[in-house]
Amino acid sequence: EVQLVESGGGLVQPGGSLRLSCAASGFTFSSYWMSWVRQAPGKGLEWVANIKQDGSEKYYVDSVKGRFTISRDNAKNSLYLQMNSLRAEDTAVYYCAREKRVVVAATYYFDYWGQGTLVTVSS
Amino acid sequence: SYVLTQPPSVSVAPGKTARITCGGNNIGSKSVHWYQQKPGQAPVLVIYYDSDRPSGIPERFSGSNSGNTATLTISRVEAGDEADYYCQVWDSSSDPNWVFGGGTKLTVL
Repeated sequence: EVQLVESGGGLVQPGGSLRLSCAASGFTFSSYWMSWVRQAPGKGLEWVANIKQDGSEKYYVDSVKGRFTISRDNAKNSLYLQMNSLRAEDTAVYYCAREKRVVVAATYYFDYWGQGTLVTVSS
Repeated sequence: SYVLTQPPSVSVAPGKTARITCGGNNIGSKSVHWYQQKPGQAPVLVIYYDSDRPSGIPERFSGSNSGNTATLTISRVEAGDEADYYCQVWDSSSDPNWVFGGGTKLTVL
């Protein structure tokens, strides 16, 4: 059974830092692109960042570029999101999600999601 | 960037059919995926590739996509179907590539 379990969320002051973790199990973690997707309170879903299987490619939404860093440790089956210079608008539930990529059809989607971890940025 | 437009809310009586739309410029040329999110829970994939269902998703859930509108159809709606539904595409020419609709709250009357 595929499982994604996030941790590391909490309350942090503006300008502060947090590191989120996602522990994966039930599949070959090193074979998949992985993403972080967030959801602000009462709002919709927003893709944040993703990382290739070997970590050689990383992409970010513009609003977090230069502040957030995605990484992974395939030996530990873990995905991370280092969040620095946090702002109030970063307040959200952060989900770890496994990407399903159908290259021949140029279509990608998320086939499994974690339960999420809440990040609150407030003084 | 590519924009997906969903109605904020749809209401339907139990046993009836709910249709949730997702509008986008020439969306019929893209593959659309749908997620269900119940309160306090993570999203769950219910339709991928416009109309395919993951294992475990009831046959009552179906999808279609043509022109400028993709549609998620839920037949014989049950109380347990009440949730937020999001459409999603991956668009190589959009920034970011991953695009979600704003979500539709399905209310079962």
